[in-house]
Amino acid sequence: GAGVSQSPSNKVTEKGKDVELRCDPISGHTALYWYRQRLGQGLEFLIYFQGNSAPDKSGLPSDRFSAERTGESVSTLTIQRTQQEDSAVYLCASRQFPDAGRQYFGPGTRLTVT
Amino acid sequence: SQQGEEDPQALSIQEGENATMNCSYKTSINNLQWYRQNSGRGLVHLILIRSNEREKHSGRLRVTLDTSKKSSSLLITASRAADTASYFCATDAGTSGSRLTFGEGTQLTVNP
Repeated sequence: GAGVSQSPSNKVTEKGKDVELRCDPISGHTALYWYRQRLGQGLEFLIYFQGNSAPDKSGLPSDRFSAERTGESVSTLTIQRTQQEDSAVYLCASRQFPDAGRQYFGPGTRLTVT
Repeated sequence: SQQGEEDPQALSIQEGENATMNCSYKTSINNLQWYRQNSGRGLVHLILIRSNEREKHSGRLRVTLDTSKKSSSLLITASRAADTASYFCATDAGTSGSRLTFGEGTQLTVNP
């Protein structure tokens, strides 16, 4: 079946502009995660959605970052007033509960803030 | 700080040789997972080992886990040029919906 998809693949934006990144999880996966990966580094957790429960936003680095998810489908990550330090690859993953713990990752969105 | 830390940061070997990567972590975990990343984009899940397991095999991959030392190793046997990638360990501590905490990764280069 289809995997996790993300759009756009690449996004170049000017400092101060807002951006929206989209994630389509695997159908039926109740859990969805957003991670950020800066160049040459590991992934940092940003936010987690599980069904209709309140999201865990503990990884969001500032109030410029927000995310929404419609039910158990699409999620959007919004970054307002982008800064150069927001440049990174933003990865989305989904997971089906209950399961063994594996997460399925999308190809990521490479964000460049100029 | 990162929960998982990989060692070495970079590893260069010849095709056919074995590659060993190590990972250390700080807190108790439910499981530890290894992922591969090509060209800095999507991650591919390689193997998951639970906290009550000590060793696991999958094809040319062998993973060990030592919870007393809070460490894991990934062994790739008979490496191929196609194994060239970044390898990350990720720990699931059972918090925040089992979010994963990643290390910095090991860049493996397999020379033909």
